[in-house]
Amino acid sequence: DAKTTQPPSMDCAEGRAANLPCNHSTISGNEYVYWYRQIHSQGPQYIIHGLKNNETNEMASLIITEDRKSSTLILPHATLRDTAVYYCIVRNQGGSEKLVFGKGTKLTVNP
Amino acid sequence: EAGVVQSPRYKIIEKKQPVAFWCNPISGHNTLYWYRQNLGQGPELLIRYENEEAVDDSQLPKDRFSAERLKGVDSTLKIQPAELGDSAVYLCASRGRGANTEAFFGQGTRLTVV
Repeated sequence: DAKTTQPPSMDCAEGRAANLPCNHSTISGNEYVYWYRQIHSQGPQYIIHGLKNNETNEMASLIITEDRKSSTLILPHATLRDTAVYYCIVRNQGGSEKLVFGKGTKLTVNP
Repeated sequence: EAGVVQSPRYKIIEKKQPVAFWCNPISGHNTLYWYRQNLGQGPELLIRYENEEAVDDSQLPKDRFSAERLKGVDSTLKIQPAELGDSAVYLCASRGRGANTEAFFGQGTRLTVV
């Protein structure tokens, strides 16, 4: 599985958009980009995933660059409850079925 | 629908004692994972089951850790004997069939070995 690089921490003002970057320069053609988040004292929670097209759901948007070497998770209107550690994971659908977590980005949403 | 259920939520034991964690995955999910998460780190895979078969246990310390998933549903993870370094959160996750499905995690069991 390709590795990912994320900033260790970010801050965002409540109500503003939070843009969390992820670098996955060694991603291969059949690997998806997954995002999970982990709120304090809870298990990781799935947010969104994509292959090459941008994706949007009720939680967030995922923007993947054309070369697929990086992506950005966007929380359009961050709330205090979005404070969490966000993990960007690259997963090979056809091979290993495990999720390999890095250290993620600690997002703090400030009032 | 209930999510992934783990018990106990917290466990404190003395070193050298045995301990067991239990996981009930989402109904119908054939893939089950056990992860360990140390403080400040991301979760690390210990073992993955496809139904009742352990298909990836390369990260499981087999001298003291064991796991089972009888009948391909519930699973238990055991440590015997526990060491101080085993203090961590143990997470269980499950995933349904299909290459493009997401994994759902339980709340975890926080183990403290004293």
